[in-house]
Amino acid sequence: AQSVAQPEDQVNVAEGNPLTVKCTYSVSGNPYLFWYVQYPNRGLQFLLKYITGDNLVKGSYGFEAEFNKSQTSFHLKKPSALVSDSALYFCAVREVPRGSTLGRLYFGRGTQLTVWP
Amino acid sequence: DTGVSQDPRHKITKRGQNVTFRCDPISEHNRLYWYRQTLGQGPEFLTYFQNEAQLEKSRLLSDRFSAERPKGSFSTLEIQRTEQGDSAMYLCATSHVHSYEQYFGPGTRLTVT
Repeated sequence: AQSVAQPEDQVNVAEGNPLTVKCTYSVSGNPYLFWYVQYPNRGLQFLLKYITGDNLVKGSYGFEAEFNKSQTSFHLKKPSALVSDSALYFCAVREVPRGSTLGRLYFGRGTQLTVWP
Repeated sequence: DTGVSQDPRHKITKRGQNVTFRCDPISEHNRLYWYRQTLGQGPEFLTYFQNEAQLEKSRLLSDRFSAERPKGSFSTLEIQRTEQGDSAMYLCATSHVHSYEQYFGPGTRLTVT
């Protein structure tokens, strides 16, 4: 079965420091991996995705993520955190088995990121 | 703003009543998804359309739930005989057939009293 784990419910970091939000996944086929951010009373906003190619992918607002196949991880990173990055972050995986058109996303439970001034 | 709109944004209803939500996708996005999100959880998949065809339904989608996308544009999600356990945020997302990412609307928050 497909699943995503975000082992930290909360991550706290000082402004200007690097941040990492962790994500591990489990799929039987090839994974397509995504990060989304959710601000209060708003829908999820797409940040970045890994489909194939370079293991380090860059996305919106200075975020990047590193795909590690051996560790089945896709951690979200940013070199210098901003107070405005404080939000709820979700990792998601889409399994792409051969011959399938399944498009559903499986989400983790989310990690609340707080960046303090 | 992602361009996916949902209506209403909030709905309070009494147990046993029927409710209907609407989702308007980004134009030219032919794939449309419904998810449900409860407090402290990530979104859970409910169902998915490609154009007007409903291709997949989750086991979460009981017989009381029905979704339609009659002309391949907007979609509706109806819940009949609502129960308190139906209280959640209902999210709509759309994507282009050649795109991997899904774009989400702001959601409809349902409260069943």
